[in-house]
Amino acid sequence: QVQLVQSGAEVKKPGASVKLSCKASGYTFTSYAIHWVRQAPGQRLEWMGWIYVGKGNTKYSQKFQGRVSITRDTSATTAYMEVSSLRSEDTAVYYCARDCDTGWCYFDHWGQGTLVTVSS
Amino acid sequence: DIVMTQSPDSLAVSLGERATINCKSSQNLLSTSDNKNYLAWYQQNPGQPPKLLIYWASARESGVPDRFSGSGSGTDFALTISSLQAEDVAVYYCQQYYNTPWTFGQGTKVEIK
Repeated sequence: QVQLVQSGAEVKKPGASVKLSCKASGYTFTSYAIHWVRQAPGQRLEWMGWIYVGKGNTKYSQKFQGRVSITRDTSATTAYMEVSSLRSEDTAVYYCARDCDTGWCYFDHWGQGTLVTVSS
Repeated sequence: DIVMTQSPDSLAVSLGERATINCKSSQNLLSTSDNKNYLAWYQQNPGQPPKLLIYWASARESGVPDRFSGSGSGTDFALTISSLQAEDVAVYYCQQYYNTPWTFGQGTKVEIK
C-alpha cells in the first residue's frame, strides 16, 4: 500500500534552517509528483511547492520562493524540503502529499506530518 | 491566487441528518479543455493528515462511504453528507487545483447536535 513516512518533530531557533524528509513506498516513486503543504495552528492548509520526482522539476509558491528548496533522492525513494531563515510564523505541521496519477491535481495520499516549532 | 471560501465555518447536525458544506472559489474552476472542475474535498480528524474524499468536484475516492457526495461547477460547490454518522465529526476542506498555488478553504467543522 502507498505510504509516505515523514521525519520526526523539530525545534529550531529563529534564523535557522530545517530539512524535512518524506519516504515513499508502495508505488513507483518516479511516476508521481510530491507536494509539501503546511498547517499553522488554527490556520488553513497552505501549499508550499512540489517536485515532479521523475525529472526533478520543482515549482514553489511565490510566498516561499527563495526560502524553500525541494529535492529528491530517487534511490532512497525520499523527497526533502528545506526551509531557511525560519521565523516564529513558520511554526506549523508540515505534510508531504502525493499528486494523483495523471499529475497536476488532487493529493491522494498524505504523510503523517512533521511538527516544526520555531522558538528562541 | 484563487481564494476559496467555505460556509459555514461550523455546523452541528443530528445523527442521521444531512450536512451540507459550501465552497466558493474566486475564479472559475471548470476547464474548457477537459470539462472537469478542478476541485477536491478532504476530511481531517484532530492530529491526523487530511484524507481525500472527493475529486473532480464529484468523483468519490475509493473506500469513501457513499453518504459523501460532491456537487457544483464553475465557482460554487458543495459537499453533502447524506446521513451523518458519529465518525464523520471532523474538519472538512475544499481545495482548488486549477492553478498554482493550490489553495484551500478555511475549513468547516462538523459536529453532532
